[in-house]
Amino acid sequence: LAKTTQPISMDSYEGQEVNITCSHNNIATNDYITWYQQFPSQGPRFIIQGYKTKVTNEVASLFIPADRKSSTLSLPRVSLSDTAVYYCLVGPANFGNEKLTFGTGTRLTIIP
Amino acid sequence: EPEVTQTPSHQVTQMGQEVILRCVPISNHLYFYWYRQILGQKVEFLVSFYNNEISEKSEIFDDQFSVERPDGSNFTLKIRSTKLEDSAMYFCASRDGTSGGAVDTQYFGPGTRLTVL
Repeated sequence: LAKTTQPISMDSYEGQEVNITCSHNNIATNDYITWYQQFPSQGPRFIIQGYKTKVTNEVASLFIPADRKSSTLSLPRVSLSDTAVYYCLVGPANFGNEKLTFGTGTRLTIIP
Repeated sequence: EPEVTQTPSHQVTQMGQEVILRCVPISNHLYFYWYRQILGQKVEFLVSFYNNEISEKSEIFDDQFSVERPDGSNFTLKIRSTKLEDSAMYFCASRDGTSGGAVDTQYFGPGTRLTVL
C-alpha cells in the first residue's frame, strides 16, 4: 500500500471550511484514496472515496489533482462535532479483502 | 442506517483470564474484521474472516487469539490468556462484498474497551 503523509494536527474555528491535505507520492495506477473519520472512543467511519478529480457527498468533498500524488479532504462550514481524527488511506478499490492500514491521521480540533 | 454492534462496551479482566468479545455485523455482510487500538496509538489490523475461515491475520494475532462465527449472526474474538499489553479498544468491522462497482467500505462498530489488570 502506498505510504501517506498528512499533518499531525489542525485547528479551525466553527463555520470555517477546513482542508486537510494528504501526500501519497507512490500511489499506484489502481489505487483509490479513501478518508475515514474517528471520534474519541469510537470506531473509524468512512467519509469519502475517490480516484481522480473531484468527489462530493453530503459530508465532504475530495479533490485529487491530475498527478494523484496528493489529495485534499474539504469539510465545509465545520462545527464542534467535526472534532475528530481524519485518516487518509490509499489502496486498491474497496481494498479487496485486504486489511485497512491506518496511519496516525490528522487530529482536527474545532474551536468555538 | 444498519450498524455493527459490539458487546460489552467495557470489559475488565485479570491477567491470564480468557475473554470473549462479541460483535454483530451488519446483516448480509460477508467479510468480517477485528482491529485494535491501544490508547493513543494507531488502529491496527488483527484478522479478516470470510466464508467461515480466516483470510488474513497480522503478527499480533498469535495463538492466544481466535475468531468464530458461531451462529450466522455473531462474530467473536477470543483471547485465551490475557496479558497486560492486550489492554486496548477492540473494533469489529464488516463489509458487504457484493456491491459490485459501488464503494464497498468497511463499517466499524463502537468498540469494546478491554482493560487487563
